Amino acid sequence: DGGITQSPKYLFRKEGQNVTLSCEQNLNHDAMYWYRQDPGQGLRLIYYSQIVNDFQKGDIAEGYSVSREKKESFPLTVTSAQKNPTAFYLCASTPKGGGYQPQHFGDGTRLSIL
Amino acid sequence: SQQGEEDPQALSIQEGENATMNCSYKTSINNLQWYRQNSGRGLVHLILIRSNEREKHSGRLRVTLDTSKKSSSLLITASRAADTASYFCATALNTGTASKLTFGTGTRLQVTL
Repeated sequence: DGGITQSPKYLFRKEGQNVTLSCEQNLNHDAMYWYRQDPGQGLRLIYYSQIVNDFQKGDIAEGYSVSREKKESFPLTVTSAQKNPTAFYLCASTPKGGGYQPQHFGDGTRLSIL
Repeated sequence: SQQGEEDPQALSIQEGENATMNCSYKTSINNLQWYRQNSGRGLVHLILIRSNEREKHSGRLRVTLDTSKKSSSLLITASRAADTASYFCATALNTGTASKLTFGTGTRLQVTL
């Protein structure tokens, strides 16, 4: 079955450490997105990518970095500059013509501070 | 920024009743989408309504859109315990091949037997 796989499901970060969250899709979608969700809140856009080797900042990009070296992969690095990283992180994708296409989501990674 | 505000924040109903959730937004949109999220899971797309549409149906779901009032509603008819979840509206701005969505804060729906 096609879909989006996020790993790991749970992740713990120590002070001063960078951590990378994986997002892989086998839907052949062009665009990919990263969102952050805080408890009881909606999603906020961190970064998005429309094509390989290109990505744009979302509303809350500070303290995060991404890469898009392959169409199917869009990893997110939470750097030590992100002072409040505890949240639920969701990856999504859309096919070409994304404006009128629903976003497909993975099942998320929950990041906590040790 | 959170474009959408949803009302109510939480809703508790009995199985078989209808559930109505409302969403208000601030700027012009390309389309509005509703998503469902079960606890600890990713979001699942429910329905998309374009800015030139006023009403759309999908199974037990009915969505309305009033662009003059910048508001939308989601009606779930004959609710079931399995409908228990959080529901989010999201407004879309078409940006090239990507769709930048701005999500509301969500309505938590509890359906009891």
